[in-house]
Amino acid sequence: DAGVTQSPTHLIKTRGQQVTLRCSPKSGHDTVSWYQQALGQGPQFIFQYYEEEERQRGNFPDRFSGHQFPNYSSELNVNALLLGDSALYLCASSTGYVQETQYFGPGTRLLVL
Amino acid sequence: RKEVEQDPGPFNVPEGATVAFNCTYSNSASQSFFWYRQDCRKEPKLLMSVYSSGNEDGRFTAQLNRASQYISLLIRDSKLSDSATYLCVVTLRNFYNQGGKLIFGQGTELSVKP
Repeated sequence: DAGVTQSPTHLIKTRGQQVTLRCSPKSGHDTVSWYQQALGQGPQFIFQYYEEEERQRGNFPDRFSGHQFPNYSSELNVNALLLGDSALYLCASSTGYVQETQYFGPGTRLLVL
Repeated sequence: RKEVEQDPGPFNVPEGATVAFNCTYSNSASQSFFWYRQDCRKEPKLLMSVYSSGNEDGRFTAQLNRASQYISLLIRDSKLSDSATYLCVVTLRNFYNQGGKLIFGQGTELSVKP
């Protein structure tokens, strides 16, 4: 049973560029949430997708956008990258209308230079 | 004020010690409560859910006090392999009572020494 997978594992970008991160949920899961974890901090909720719609959003600017596909996989897009966007980006999957037990992927480490 | 606050740590303890982590949350509408464990440069992994009645899983005991908005985790007979960052987590649903937005504390680092 495959767990949550994310790609790429590491990424280096420069300020102003755009990036797309990808996530495949655990088998049987239909909901994907994205989190940003800066060094030394706990993960911060970015947004959650269920039934291909954004259901909840955290306090992140519009530069952060996402998408969920019919196969439940998801993308996180960040435009106009800033140095402060350097972080570990975590995807978590869960199931059902109320999705509280979430399982995390290994994350994508993004470094913005 | 942060939505979820934890002891700043780090905690450095010898093997076999008992260690307690404390956490408070600010939103009384929080619905579910968890402890996650995160090893260095890895993803968070669910350690245990937390219930008002208290729950135990081997050497780990978690407790929730809704009135005080306080969550605790006790680790008995600590092992070297318990060294990790422990994250206190609460969930909030949206206006339509959907979803499980996880709100994390900043984490408390535990280092168990021989």
